[in-house]
Amino acid sequence: QSALTQPASVSGSPGQSITISCTGTSSDVGGYNYVSWYQQHPGKAPKLMIYDVSNRPSGVSNRFSGSKSGNTASLTISGLQAEDEADYYCSSYASSSTLRVFGTGTKVTVL
Amino acid sequence: QLQLQESGPGLVKPSETLSLTCTVSGGSISSGSYYWGWIRQPPGKGLEWIGSFYYSGGTYYNASLKSRVTMSGDTSKNQFSLKLNSVTAADTALYYCARLNVALSGYGEFDYWGQGALVTVSS
Repeated sequence: QSALTQPASVSGSPGQSITISCTGTSSDVGGYNYVSWYQQHPGKAPKLMIYDVSNRPSGVSNRFSGSKSGNTASLTISGLQAEDEADYYCSSYASSSTLRVFGTGTKVTVL
Repeated sequence: QLQLQESGPGLVKPSETLSLTCTVSGGSISSGSYYWGWIRQPPGKGLEWIGSFYYSGGTYYNASLKSRVTMSGDTSKNQFSLKLNSVTAADTALYYCARLNVALSGYGEFDYWGQGALVTVSS
């Protein structure tokens, strides 16, 4: 089971919106609504931002939203802020014996 | 507030067994809605799920590591542990313990994480 594919980097100016993609297969992203997104600041543990494709845990800003189309899931950050600069990882259930797969990670830079 | 803290040797020799313990405070590992798991991150690289377990039984391991991994819990100490045997340099990573919340999502997501423990495999 290979890692889900994410762009290595995405950048945007403060106030703009950016979208990070996460591409898998019908055995993971495309087959189940169990896609999540984690934010990781340097030297810190990951933080859950989105689960079940589009749900936000309590306390997560509504500037973060998730969606899915076919085998590709997306995380959109609207009203980009300096504090959003971090690495972002998607994750999905996988029907293979791996069970859970993470994405390759995307570094978000706020210009 | 739930807190998790990893502990264990920071240096392990090749072919030996990596052992880590996660101590949970502010909550119980025997709470019904939660599994507990381990995730690792090689330096400068992405995340890899190692496995998850439930306090009363039931373990789920990444197939790529299954033959070398054992997870268990000690409810009396409110701790759970990871053992990875026959390690190589490829197992060098930051190892995180985390709570898998199956009440939040039927599949479960990691909503609380430890700070991570760096384990280096080297002779």
